[in-house]
Amino acid sequence: GENVEQHPSTLSVQEGDSAVIKCTYSDSASNYFPWYKQELGKGPQLIIDIRSNVGEKKDQRIAVTLNKTAKHFSLHITETQPEDSAVYFCAAIGTGNQFYFGTGTSLTVIP
Amino acid sequence: ETGVTQSPTHLIKTRGQQVTLRCSSQSGHNTVSWYQQALGQGPQFIFQYYREEENGRGNFPPRFSGLQFPNYSSELNVNALELDDSALYLCASSSGPGSTEAFFGQGTRLTVV
Repeated sequence: GENVEQHPSTLSVQEGDSAVIKCTYSDSASNYFPWYKQELGKGPQLIIDIRSNVGEKKDQRIAVTLNKTAKHFSLHITETQPEDSAVYFCAAIGTGNQFYFGTGTSLTVIP
Repeated sequence: ETGVTQSPTHLIKTRGQQVTLRCSSQSGHNTVSWYQQALGQGPQFIFQYYREEENGRGNFPPRFSGLQFPNYSSELNVNALELDDSALYLCASSSGPGSTEAFFGQGTRLTVV
């Protein structure tokens, strides 16, 4: 099956700085890569996604890049704000439309 | 809000007992997937239900079972609870088994003592 690795596990940035979270996947058949934000006591919330036929996608302060050859994708958050503090998960859809999640990155934005 | 609701929000059970968790899918969604999220880990796929039938299963033993009802709501049942079953259980609904967009509920926190 698919194996998704995510780094770093924790990340602290000053407010206004950028944050980058990286993931790698193993199954070359995976073709959809969502990113989820999970706040304490809540379920994961989809914040951005990218499909395999696209190299980059941007939505305001959030962007995702995908390198299919290297099998890695990254989440970029610019101009970070305290409300961006949460746990972020990457995921890849493998065989059977099953989601495979990374182990999460706990982002802290320091005011 | 995603429109996916789960109940109860918290639950404490004793080892060996059985538990039923419930999920109401988002309006218009006919597919429900269940995930187990251990503390500090990413969600792990348990199984998916589509039109009342199991449509894919992860690496979980048979004591994890489920149901989907005609209104597409779903239940997750776990028999013979073990301490390691303590986790946040998430359900996600989507518009079909081939749909890539999944919307998660807030989860049920199960503690087995």
